[in-house]
Amino acid sequence: QTVVTQDPSLSVSPGGTVTLTCGFDSGSLSSAYFPSWYQQTPGQAPRTLIYNTNIRSSGVPDRFSGSILGTKAALTITGAQAEDECNYFCLVFMGGGTWVFGGGTYLTVL
Amino acid sequence: EVLLVESGGGLVEPGGSLRLSCVVSGFTFSRYGMIWVRQAPGKGLEWLSFISRFDDRRDYADSVRGRFTVSRDNAENSLYLDMNRLRPDDTAVYYCARDGHRYFDSWGRGTLVIVSS
Repeated sequence: QTVVTQDPSLSVSPGGTVTLTCGFDSGSLSSAYFPSWYQQTPGQAPRTLIYNTNIRSSGVPDRFSGSILGTKAALTITGAQAEDECNYFCLVFMGGGTWVFGGGTYLTVL
Repeated sequence: EVLLVESGGGLVEPGGSLRLSCVVSGFTFSRYGMIWVRQAPGKGLEWLSFISRFDDRRDYADSVRGRFTVSRDNAENSLYLDMNRLRPDDTAVYYCARDGHRYFDSWGRGTLVIVSS
């Protein structure tokens, strides 16, 4: 069974830049897996941020950007704000009609 | 406005069954594949199932294959998840989502399922 890994937690200072990553436990995660990113605050439904590696969903601020860094997908927040403190999940398309989520990263802004 | 509204959650005993529904509006339902995702308390998101636009493909996560069945009624703009042989570790908020072609572009607010005696 494919395992998608994310750092459990990260922190960033207000106004700073942070990069969250998403990879396979073995092997390289490329754009061919159409990685996407979701933001979730406690008690709320997920919000789609980035899809197809680097396309921002409608209404998402441009401080959020997606990319491939080496063997991983990455979500970079440039100029972090207090409201960005929450959970972030990556999603990887495995083909057909199957997907795998990463375990999530809790981002602290302090 | 795209809307997805789940219902059918509740308390059920281990070994029991439950049917979840997701009614959508604001888009042409038959043009999209649909997905079920769940989130156990304090845990991450878990993809469960996919159903194609015209129900010619259904996929399941290993954790639910053989116990859960996804279906849809395009005439009623509705998606369903029939859950059988429920276990305590099936306790979660269940979300329906729209397939935006290899990612999930719209989400419902979820419905809570608690499996407990």
